[in-house]
Amino acid sequence: DAGVTQSPTHLIKTRGQQVTLRCSPKSGHDTVSWYQQALGQGPQFIFQYYEEEERQRGNFPDRFSGHQFPNYSSELNVNALLLGDSALYLCASSFWQGYQPQHFGDGTRLSIL
Amino acid sequence: DQQVKQNSPSLSVQEGRISILNCDYTNSMFDYFLWYKKYPAEGPTFLISISSIKDKNEDGRFTVFLNKSAKHLSLHIVPSQPGDSAVYFCAAYYNNNDMRFGAGTRLTVKP
Repeated sequence: DAGVTQSPTHLIKTRGQQVTLRCSPKSGHDTVSWYQQALGQGPQFIFQYYEEEERQRGNFPDRFSGHQFPNYSSELNVNALLLGDSALYLCASSFWQGYQPQHFGDGTRLSIL
Repeated sequence: DQQVKQNSPSLSVQEGRISILNCDYTNSMFDYFLWYKKYPAEGPTFLISISSIKDKNEDGRFTVFLNKSAKHLSLHIVPSQPGDSAVYFCAAYYNNNDMRFGAGTRLTVKP
C-alpha cells in the first residue's frame, strides 16, 4: 500500500522563477493538503483540494496556486519565487469525510538562490 | 497568528522514564487534536489523536490528555525508548480540515 509520494525531493531555483511540485496521495484518499515548513517551525497550511477544487486556503499570496487531477494527485505551483519561499513543502492526504488524520509525504526541499 | 503553541523546544529524558510533551492552544473552536512525530528527512508521521468530547486517549505507550478549560493537551510516552527520539508536533483541526501546527518539541531519549 503506497503512502504519499512527492517529487522531486530537492529543487534549486533562482529568484523570479516558477516551480511545480507534485504529490500522489495515499491509496484510497481523496483529499490533498499542502504545507510549507520553514526551518525550526511547524508546517503552515497553504491550501487543500477535494474533487479538483480548492476548498480551503491559508494565509499565502496568490503566487501559490494548485491543482488536483481526477486521479486525486495534486500539484503546487509557485510563481515569482522569493528568497523567503525556501522551505520544505509537504503534501498530506486524507479522506474528506469526518475527522481523519492526514498522512504526509517526505516533502520537497526547495532552495531559492 | 500562532494558535497552537509548544513552548518547550526540546526535552531530554532517560530511557525507561516518562516523557511528557505539552501543547497549548488559543482557539476554542478547535475540536480535534493530533500528535505527529517527525524524523530527519522524513515527513511527519501520525501518532495519536483525541476529539474534544474526550479527555484521554491511549494507544500502547502513548497517551494524550486534553484539558479543554485550560486549552492544554499533553502527550505522555511510557516507557520512553531511544527510538522515540524525534521532533513531536502538536496539531489542531479548525473548520474540520484546516490543520494548525505548533513549532515542535525535539525529544531526546538517552540510553
